[in-house]
Amino acid sequence: TQLLEQSPQFLSIQEGENLTVYCNSSSVFSSLQWYRQEPGEGPVLLVTVVTGGEVKKLKRLTFQFGDARKDSSLHITAAQPGDTGLYLCAGVRTGGFKTIFGAGTRLFVKA
Amino acid sequence: GAVVSQHPSWVICKSGTSVKIECRSLDFQATTMFWYRQFPKQSLMLMATSNEGSKATYEQGVEKDKFLINHASLTLSTLTVTSAHPEDSSFYICSASRGGERVTYGYTFGSGTRLTVV
Repeated sequence: TQLLEQSPQFLSIQEGENLTVYCNSSSVFSSLQWYRQEPGEGPVLLVTVVTGGEVKKLKRLTFQFGDARKDSSLHITAAQPGDTGLYLCAGVRTGGFKTIFGAGTRLFVKA
Repeated sequence: GAVVSQHPSWVICKSGTSVKIECRSLDFQATTMFWYRQFPKQSLMLMATSNEGSKATYEQGVEKDKFLINHASLTLSTLTVTSAHPEDSSFYICSASRGGERVTYGYTFGSGTRLTVV
């Protein structure tokens, strides 16, 4: 059982469309991170959310941390082919030290 | 800042030989480094936590004699895959943390090493 459930697992959309990726857990996390990974590369940190209800924006990407700090979402507006990649959520449970990764959402944006 | 360099980026080796992968933090001291394995189209699987000056902590199911980890300095951790076999072929990635309160703020990952054992 995944401690961090990501959905959808795979998403193929047209350029210009909007999309939302979800990261859910039954556990409370002290923080959650979102990473993007391109083929043959290591993950690159996009954002860290720490406070329940927090919303962070990174250009066309909007990240939200649930009020109870058990879930997070990533919304991409007007997706572009350059957004293609594997999106991973990861977090440290409250009181823990180890980072837990979700299974990832593979996004493909067609031109 | 916070750059992690991983070398080599890819390696092909014969079955039975050993391969060493290096992970260096270039502009910060990393008290803790992590080694992951990633299968095609899957997420990262934590193999072990490497602590400077002490023994690595391995995850359940990871053979410590098979995957030797050494963290001899605050800027370098190495993973040696001993007596490699084709099933060890995978993408290996390291990440580094300064430790302490920064643990919750995310990690810097190396660019990964594609190991192919023939």
